[in-house]
Amino acid sequence: DAGVIQSPRHEVTEMGQEVTLRCKPISGHNSLFWYRQTMMRGLELLIYFNNNVPIDDSGMPEDRFSAKMPNASFSTLKIQPSEPRDSAVYFCASSLFGGNTEAFFGQGTRLTVV
Amino acid sequence: DQQVKQNSPSLSVQEGRISILNCDYTNSMFDYFLWYKKYPAEGPTFLISISSIKDKNEDGRFTVFLNKSAKHLSLHIVPSQPGDSAVYFCAASERRTGANNLFFGTGTRLTVIP
Repeated sequence: DAGVIQSPRHEVTEMGQEVTLRCKPISGHNSLFWYRQTMMRGLELLIYFNNNVPIDDSGMPEDRFSAKMPNASFSTLKIQPSEPRDSAVYFCASSLFGGNTEAFFGQGTRLTVV
Repeated sequence: DQQVKQNSPSLSVQEGRISILNCDYTNSMFDYFLWYKKYPAEGPTFLISISSIKDKNEDGRFTVFLNKSAKHLSLHIVPSQPGDSAVYFCAASERRTGANNLFFGTGTRLTVIP
């Protein structure tokens, strides 16, 4: 398996623009997580899905953030409108719900909002 | 508020010596703990875990110790090698409640000096 695949690897956008980050989880995994990494807070959980259903989105910072998982093999995290303080590395991870809770991470998307 | 804390942002150790990374948590419901390792420009990768029914788990050069009364865990690396230089994240979850999301600390950057 290729592991968790995220795209793009890097995104530079202007303030106010819409940004969409994409994630393909490991085949067979039924839990998917979106994390944001910052120096101050480390890895923050934004939202997670079990069997394509959002379970906990309490970590989503504002209404500008939204996430979807239309099927078991694809998820998106959208920021609209983007702001400079959204600049961070965003990670997607997947795991097998009901099994070990080791999550496998993608390589991340480095977002820069100027 | 951070439920998992790593109070040392960095640690330097001589090659061959022991590295000890520390982690504290506040949520007494956490019952499964993990350590992840992260290289630059890569996603975190799972290293070792421990269940709350144990106080020690060993895997090669890596040993994790859990002190539930102190809500403290540590990762020991013996002997340390230059390839161990990375950022180490401590994580915790409440497996018994069925939740499988992970709460991460802010990370400790380990540098192993040749």
